[in-house]
Amino acid sequence: DAGVTQSPTHLIKTRGQQVTLRCSPKSGHDTVSWYQQALGQGPQFIFQYYEEEERQRGNFPDRFSGHQFPNYSSELNVNALLLGDSALYLCASSLDRVDGYTFGSGTRLTVV
Amino acid sequence: GESVGLHLPTLSVQEGDNSIINCAYSNSASDYFIWYKQESGKGPQFIIDIRSNMDKRQGQRVTVLLNKTVKHLSLQIAATQPGDSAVYFCAENRGSSASKIIFGSGTRLSIRP
Repeated sequence: DAGVTQSPTHLIKTRGQQVTLRCSPKSGHDTVSWYQQALGQGPQFIFQYYEEEERQRGNFPDRFSGHQFPNYSSELNVNALLLGDSALYLCASSLDRVDGYTFGSGTRLTVV
Repeated sequence: GESVGLHLPTLSVQEGDNSIINCAYSNSASDYFIWYKQESGKGPQFIIDIRSNMDKRQGQRVTVLLNKTVKHLSLQIAATQPGDSAVYFCAENRGSSASKIIFGSGTRLSIRP
């Protein structure tokens, strides 16, 4: 049973560029959440998608946007990249109204 | 503001000893807590959880204790092994089931041979 799959694993972008990160949830899960983890810190909640809509959002600017597809997979888009956006981006999937997330291994984004 | 955090950024224990990792939270309405383990290059891995109607919950070699009076929880790892080396996060699930999780800053556990 495949867990949460994220792509790419590593990415280097230049300031001002745009980036798209992808996530395939664990089989049977219908909810996808995205987290940003800066070096040496705990993950910070970005937003959550359920039924192809953003259901909750953390304290992140509008430059961060997302999408969920009918097959429950999801994308995270970040526009106008800043150096401070360099982080590990984690995707977590879950089944709605059931406790517990499964996290992917993340995408390491470096903005130069 | 409301937060969940950890007491110590690092903890070093002798292999075979028991490890205790502590965490404090500020929101008295919090009702669900989770401990995660994160190894280098990987995402957080669920270890054990506990609801506020419980004081203690045990898993395989791990025990979580919750003290609602002082808003404190701890993770105890019995007979610590080299494979337990990782960063440990306590986290709080706010809102409905599987809604957003608030993570603490983490404790790095290292094992001395």
